[in-house]
Amino acid sequence: HLQLQESGPGLLKPSETLSLTCTVSGASISSTSYYWGWIRQPPGKALQWLGSIYYSGSTDYNPSLNRRVTISVDTSKNQLSLKLSSVTAADTAVYYCARRLYPDLGAPYFDHWGQGNLVTVSS
Amino acid sequence: QSVLTQPPSASGTPGQRVTISCSGSSSTIGSYTVNWYQQLPGTAPKVLIYSSDQRPLGVPDRFSGSKSGNSASLAISGLQSEDEAVYYCAVWDDSLKGPAFGGGTKLTVL
Repeated sequence: HLQLQESGPGLLKPSETLSLTCTVSGASISSTSYYWGWIRQPPGKALQWLGSIYYSGSTDYNPSLNRRVTISVDTSKNQLSLKLSSVTAADTAVYYCARRLYPDLGAPYFDHWGQGNLVTVSS
Repeated sequence: QSVLTQPPSASGTPGQRVTISCSGSSSTIGSYTVNWYQQLPGTAPKVLIYSSDQRPLGVPDRFSGSKSGNSASLAISGLQSEDEAVYYCAVWDDSLKGPAFGGGTKLTVL
């Protein structure tokens, strides 16, 4: 039974770096069949994809984040991590990690999500 | 500003059929399949439809998806109170090299 669990600080000050970890259980993060990603959701707003990573370390990032985001994977711990630098109040959101599945036909989709981690940026 | 446009709200009564639209462009929905997610209050999103019209195991057949041209639709038949949620469409966006989500449609069961 696949489970993803985000963890990390819930409160940051402006200009600090957000660091979150997603622990995957019930599946290997080293599987060649999946990518892993981070998505966030500001309070009352829509979802925003932040970036994705393959077990090999290959990454794609949302260009709108102006290179502030870094995603890494630790296969020995079956974890992926998110770092977002120079945070502001606009980065206040629930941050989700998720597994990205490629179906036989069509574009990939996120088939399993963590429960989310609320991060608030406030001075 | 999302590349996908959804109505902010929709409503229906129990048993009714409701459709939610998602409008894109030739470079998004016109080029790629669409995924739909359901987000119940206070929970993480869950995939309802993938590849425009496919249901994952466990999703009731009351939910169906379709795509035509640069638009897609999610239909919910036999509406139930537990369907009250926010529904998001998503599509691959070449400019992002990743998925773009619509703004979400809040479905209210009256």
